[in-house]
Amino acid sequence: DAKTTQPPSMDCAEGRAANLPCNHSTISGNEYVYWYRQIHSQGPQYIIHGLKNNETNEMASLIITEDRKSSTLILPHATLRDTAVYYCIVRVPNQAGTALIFGKGTTLSVSS
Amino acid sequence: NAGVMQNPRHLVRRRGQEARLRCSPMKGHSHVYWYRQLPEEGLKFMVYLQKENIIDESGMPKERFSAEFPKEGPSILRIQQVVRGDSAAYFCASSPVNPTNTGELFFGEGSRLTVL
Repeated sequence: DAKTTQPPSMDCAEGRAANLPCNHSTISGNEYVYWYRQIHSQGPQYIIHGLKNNETNEMASLIITEDRKSSTLILPHATLRDTAVYYCIVRVPNQAGTALIFGKGTTLSVSS
Repeated sequence: NAGVMQNPRHLVRRRGQEARLRCSPMKGHSHVYWYRQLPEEGLKFMVYLQKENIIDESGMPKERFSAEFPKEGPSILRIQQVVRGDSAAYFCASSPVNPTNTGELFFGEGSRLTVL
């Protein structure tokens, strides 16, 4: 799986958009970008994934650059409950014998 | 559809005892993954199992740790002769038999082991 680089921490005001960057310059053509988050002491939660097109769901938007070397997770209206560690992972989906490998992620702190 | 169920949620053991952690995957899922999270650290992959088979155990410590996923019943992570350094949160995740293209994993709430 390709290596990802994320800032260790970010702050965001409640109600504002949170934009979390991720660099994955060595991503290969068949690897998807996945985002998970872990709220303190809970199990990780899937947020969104994408290959090359921008994606949006009820939780977030994922913007992937045209060269696919980086991406941004956008939480459009951050709330206090979005305070968590956010993980960007790249992998081939359901490749036999592989599991999600988590890095250190970005700790997002949302404050009022 | 119930999510991934882990039990016990909290387990206290004395040094030298055995710890058994159980994970029931989501209905219809036959792929199970175990992760460990030491205090103030990230999630570390331990082992990936399918029914009756260990697919990848590259993250498992060489001694004292074992995992199984029998044809019937939950997956079990077993830690023999526990030491204080085994104190951690152990998370289980599952994915479907016939996975969609998403490849996402569904995580349980974890089992927190404390070794006295």
